[in-house]
Amino acid sequence: DAGVIQSPRHEVTEMGQEVTLRCKPISGHDYLFWYRQTMMRGLELLIYFNNNVPIDDSGMPEDRFSAKMPNASFSTLKIQPSEPRDSAVYFCASSSPGWGKPEAFFGQGTRLTVV
Amino acid sequence: GQQLNQSPQSMFIQEGEDVSMNCTSSSIFNTWLWYKQDPGEGPVLLIALYKAGELTSNGRLTAQFGITRKDSFLNISASIPSDVGIYFCAGQPSGTYKYIFGTGTRLKVLA
Repeated sequence: DAGVIQSPRHEVTEMGQEVTLRCKPISGHDYLFWYRQTMMRGLELLIYFNNNVPIDDSGMPEDRFSAKMPNASFSTLKIQPSEPRDSAVYFCASSSPGWGKPEAFFGQGTRLTVV
Repeated sequence: GQQLNQSPQSMFIQEGEDVSMNCTSSSIFNTWLWYKQDPGEGPVLLIALYKAGELTSNGRLTAQFGITRKDSFLNISASIPSDVGIYFCAGQPSGTYKYIFGTGTRLKVLA
């Protein structure tokens, strides 16, 4: 089975530009999570969805960040406008607790560099 | 954001030695997970724990879910060079399906 798929793997952009990160969860998983990883703050949960509906977005740093899940197989995390302090690795993960297996499986991440 | 207290922060050990790391929290968790992350990759699940007191093994790895539901430990026996990496604990707070991550333990194995 394919795991969580994220794209792009690497993104370099200029400050002020819009950035869109993409995620395809594991088929059948109904929970999707977006995390950000930095040296200073470790792995932080930004937002998570259940059945395409945002459940908790308290980790989203500010209004420049937005996330959507238009269907069960696709989610985006958008930063507009981007700033150098947004540079980090962004991970998407999915899980399916309703099947008795609540573990979260991660994608390979998108390394974002804002210059 | 919220994080778990994970210790130690880093460890340098000789090949063949056993390793132990743990996570603690002030909150009760329903599930504990342990992950390993290699450079440039996403965290990979090693062990999942679902019940207080549960002890689970996966090869040379053993993990336990603390009976207070506020802590967990991971042991690695007879370490080998490929055990090098960063190990994370993750806890699922009661009443939610999200995961809060520990600060990580960076393991280096000297051959």
